[in-house]
Amino acid sequence: ETGVTQSPTHLIKTRGQQVTLRCSSQSGHNTVSWYQQALGQGPQFIFQYYREEENGRGNFPPRFSGLQFPNYSSELNVNALELDDSALYLCASSLAGGGGETQYFGPGTRLLVL
Amino acid sequence: KQEVTQIPAALSVPEGENLVLNCSFTDSAIYNLQWFRQDPGKGLTSLLLIQSSQREQTSGRLNASLDKSSGRSTLYIAASQPGDSATYLCAVDASGGSYIPTFGRGTSLIVHP
Repeated sequence: ETGVTQSPTHLIKTRGQQVTLRCSSQSGHNTVSWYQQALGQGPQFIFQYYREEENGRGNFPPRFSGLQFPNYSSELNVNALELDDSALYLCASSLAGGGGETQYFGPGTRLLVL
Repeated sequence: KQEVTQIPAALSVPEGENLVLNCSFTDSAIYNLQWFRQDPGKGLTSLLLIQSSQREQTSGRLNASLDKSSGRSTLYIAASQPGDSATYLCAVDASGGSYIPTFGRGTSLIVHP
């Protein structure tokens, strides 16, 4: 059984650019959630996908968007990058999406916006 | 709006001590509370998940309790070891039907030999 993987591990972009982060869910999981964790803070929920449909969204602007594919891998896209977007981006996968289940986190992608 | 507070923010203890980490939340209408561990620059590892109908969960040297009415949870770590050094985060979910957690900022724990 493979765990949750994310790519790339680190990324440097400049303000105004666009970025795509990728996540491969744990085998058999049909739900993926994305989080943003700024330095010294707890993770903040961005959105969740369940069977390729958005299943909940946190307080993030529309320039944060996502996709979940039939094989349950996922992408997080951020347009018009701002300096405050610099953070560790985490994805987590789980089974069922019904709430209350354990989420399995990837190691994260550290994004730096200059 | 749900707010989650963790006290203390940082803790440094000698090996062998028993520890209590605290988590409080403002809205008691939660479905579950989860404790996580995060090593520097890494993802999160789930330690214990307590459903709203439960009072506590135990795993090895870890015990987490939940008092929903008072908006509090504690994580008890028995006989701490240097390998326990990490940041401990609690997260509450009030969404029902999805899992949309609100996290605290965490307690940074150092256990020195």
